[in-house]
Amino acid sequence: KAGVTQTPRYLIKTRGQQVTLSCSPISGHRSVSWYQQTPGQGLQFLFEYFSETQRNKGNFPGRFSGRQFSNSRSEMNVSTLELGDSALYLCASSRDRGGQPQHFGDGTRLSIL
Amino acid sequence: EDKVVQSPLSLVVHEGDTVTLNCSYEVTNFRSLLWYKQEKKAPTFLFMLTSSGIEKKSGRLSSILDKKELFSILNITATQTGDSAVYLCAVVRISNFGNEKLTFGTGTRLTIIP
Repeated sequence: KAGVTQTPRYLIKTRGQQVTLSCSPISGHRSVSWYQQTPGQGLQFLFEYFSETQRNKGNFPGRFSGRQFSNSRSEMNVSTLELGDSALYLCASSRDRGGQPQHFGDGTRLSIL
Repeated sequence: EDKVVQSPLSLVVHEGDTVTLNCSYEVTNFRSLLWYKQEKKAPTFLFMLTSSGIEKKSGRLSSILDKKELFSILNITATQTGDSAVYLCAVVRISNFGNEKLTFGTGTRLTIIP
């Protein structure tokens, strides 16, 4: 059974640009959550999607948005990138809404120059 | 505000030693506590604890939860170099709207010296 797949693995952008990250959950998993991981702050929850609807949201500005498609794949978008957005972005899936444990992908490492 | 505090922040031991990692928390409407191991990439699930005093065990790893004192420990016996990783603790609570909210600690970086 394939795990959670995130693309791209690495991304370099400059300030002011926007970026879209993709996550394909484990087959049969309908909940997808996104996290930002930085050395200073650890893993911080961004949002959770279930059945194409955002169900839960963390404390991030509106520049961070996402969506989920009917096949449960999810995308996360960050607009007007700032230096502080440099981080590892992790996606996790679970079978049900808010289900535990979640299964994580390898992440997308985003660097802002 | 939910708090999950892990200690120590980092730990360096020799192969064969036993280590204990700590996770304390302050959340309302606690549901469960999870432990993950993160090497270079994706965190991998280790344990989920919901009841006090019941030890969960997997090989050389074990974990227990104390819901009265609001903490959990993760023990690793006879450590090996492959145990070198960041160990993450996360707490799940139920929000006022019935959603599950997950809060992670910043992790303990464990280094095993051969």
